Amino acid sequence: QLVLTQSPSASASLGASVKLTCTLSSGHSSYAIAWHQQQPEKGPRYLMKLNSDGSHSKGDGIPDRFSGSSSGAERYLTISSLQSEDEADYYCQTWGTGYVVFGGGTKLTVL
Amino acid sequence: QVQLVESGGGLVKPGGSLRLSCAASGFTFSDYYMSWIRQAPGKGLEWVSYISSSGSTIYYADSVKGRFTISRDNAKNSLYLQMNSLRAEDTAVYYCARDPMLDYWGQGTLVTVSS
Repeated sequence: QLVLTQSPSASASLGASVKLTCTLSSGHSSYAIAWHQQQPEKGPRYLMKLNSDGSHSKGDGIPDRFSGSSSGAERYLTISSLQSEDEADYYCQTWGTGYVVFGGGTKLTVL
Repeated sequence: QVQLVESGGGLVKPGGSLRLSCAASGFTFSDYYMSWIRQAPGKGLEWVSYISSSGSTIYYADSVKGRFTISRDNAKNSLYLQMNSLRAEDTAVYYCARDPMLDYWGQGTLVTVSS
């Protein structure tokens, strides 16, 4: 069964960088994922599609501060030059025939 | 620009029914699979259902199978979710989004199931 695992929380200082991790369950390390951001009291926003080789394609208007990378079953979202508006929940998501799966989300606090 | 606008949410009693709509614009709606996703208060995102571009292929999460029905009208650029036999645990904000990467989301519509 395909499961996406995320740490529940992360924190980093204003202006610093942070790397969030999404881990695909065993046997699914070749899957692409998508990253989504959900700011407080708002709907989710698509950030990027991230392939197993680390290539990624970002959504409309997503700043260059957001980037993605991959290693084995791990998919990463790196946010550099953290701003206060980056404080949000971040979800990874993948899909297949007959299903869409979300990770549990990581709550990012900008200190 | 791509826009998805949900409507139809509200307060309903357990066992009741509700029909959600999602109006799409800014892209060729009939070219895309579409999904419904929900988020219970204070919880994460949960996929509910998706429908193929023609409407011929449909899948549901186990939690709603047999109670919810997804459909679409490509002539009206609209997506629907008929929700029957509603339970308290169906209380959530319901979003429509464009598949498969959910690269565009609506603003959501709140469904509250309570007596």
